[in-house]
Amino acid sequence: QKEVEQDPGPLSVPEGAIVSLNCTYSNSAFQYFMWYRQYSRKGPELLMYTYSSGNKEDGRFTAQVDKSSKYISLFIRDSQPSDSATYLCAMYNSGGYQKVTFGTGTKLQVIP
Amino acid sequence: NAGVTQTPKFQVLKTGQSMTLQCAQDMNHNSMYWYRQDPGMGLRLIYYSASEGTTDKGEVPNGYNVSRLNKREFSLRLESAAPSQTSVYFCASSEDARSSGNTIYFGEGSWLTVV
Repeated sequence: QKEVEQDPGPLSVPEGAIVSLNCTYSNSAFQYFMWYRQYSRKGPELLMYTYSSGNKEDGRFTAQVDKSSKYISLFIRDSQPSDSATYLCAMYNSGGYQKVTFGTGTKLQVIP
Repeated sequence: NAGVTQTPKFQVLKTGQSMTLQCAQDMNHNSMYWYRQDPGMGLRLIYYSASEGTTDKGEVPNGYNVSRLNKREFSLRLESAAPSQTSVYFCASSEDARSSGNTIYFGEGSWLTVV
C-alpha cells in the first residue's frame, strides 16, 4: 500500500464548477502538506502549502487538512479551462524536501 | 528570470549508453534535487544536494550518479542506461533542504527513452 493515495481521474467538470481533489495518507507523522499543479509537458508548480491541520485559502483555491482522518483536500471555486492540469498532493514530516512523498496526481479537465 | 533550466528536453538512448542531464538554477538556492516521474508511481527522489559540496541518495538512486558542480549546477548521469530508466526527469531547487516551509521549484522536465 502506498503512503499517499490519490485518485488518478480524469475528472471532467464544466466551467464554473467547484472542484474537489483529495488525497489520503497512512503516515501519521506527516505535518506539511502541499498541492502542486502540473500542466502537460511542464514541471510541477507549488499551489498551496499547509502546516498541520486546518484550512488555507488563496484566491479561488482552498486547501484543507484533516489529520485525524489522514485526508487532505484542494477545492477550486469557479473553475476555469486554464485550471485543466494534473494536481499532485505532497507531504512530509520534517527535515525538508528530501523527505517529501508525492501522490500520483489527479488529472482535471475543465470544459468550457 | 529563468528559474530552473534543464537540458536536454528529449533524448533517446540505446541500452548501455551513457548520458548526463544538466541542470542549473539562477535563484541562489542552496539545495537541488533530481526526481523521476513515472505513470502510477508519482515523483520519486533520485538524489539531492542539500548544499554545495554535498550529495545524498534519495529513494531510487541505483543506476545514477550526480555531481554538484557549483551552487548553480547539479547534473545527473546515467552510466549504462537501461530500459527501466525510461522516464521523465525533473530537476528542482529550494532555498534549503534542511528547513521546512520553503518552496521547491521544478524545471520543465527531460523526457528520456532507453531502447
